[in-house]
Amino acid sequence: GAGVSQSPSNKVTEKGKDVELRCDPISGHTALYWYRQSLGQGLEFLIYFQGNSAPDKSGLPSDRFSAERTGGSVSTLTIQRTQQEDSAVYLCASSSQPGTGAGNTIYFGEGSWLTVV
Amino acid sequence: KQEVTQIPAALSVPEGENLVLNCSFTDSAIYNLQWFRQDPGKGLTSLLLIQSSQREQTSGRLNASLDKSSGRSTLYIAASQPGDSATYLCAVSSGYALNFGKGTSLLVTP
Repeated sequence: GAGVSQSPSNKVTEKGKDVELRCDPISGHTALYWYRQSLGQGLEFLIYFQGNSAPDKSGLPSDRFSAERTGGSVSTLTIQRTQQEDSAVYLCASSSQPGTGAGNTIYFGEGSWLTVV
Repeated sequence: KQEVTQIPAALSVPEGENLVLNCSFTDSAIYNLQWFRQDPGKGLTSLLLIQSSQREQTSGRLNASLDKSSGRSTLYIAASQPGDSATYLCAVSSGYALNFGKGTSLLVTP
């Protein structure tokens, strides 16, 4: 597609329920990132996928969070037993080369706005 | 751990003014620094990317500078317009993950 696509754009869920957030990166982009943006906070790195390599999950805040990327393309971020503090915007991004260290532009989706009530 | 700070947190200026947004970071061992724009309810749009070997980048009315040794960057916006109203985020890369500041919320009034 033309850009990074995320769904749903908005999700309201009850505390304790599981949610799945989907990211469709730009076609051909091998690197995919998930970030979280909480109200009044900066963006927080969650997880990084690069091709078929093992993902870097070091930013996931708890074991209730998991993510997978199938076929090197679409990624799903799953939050189990949601808590109110999980309410945030979850942003997905992709880039055409590994990482951003090479001066590689990163493209963000518009985010999935999650509200846990 | 890399800490990125942006000053001011919010800024309101009349249309036509030139303005400067500031970003500082604690670890100078970076690969690059990027400035992003975020409109309400939207994702981030990359404005300028400065590699660690560069001192500045320009795009239209925007100019970003980087002083890696002192851990500082500035984003200069010339002749501001109401359409420039948005949150501006600074992010540094020391690897594949970006470390973001909390942003400067800019309002340009007609």
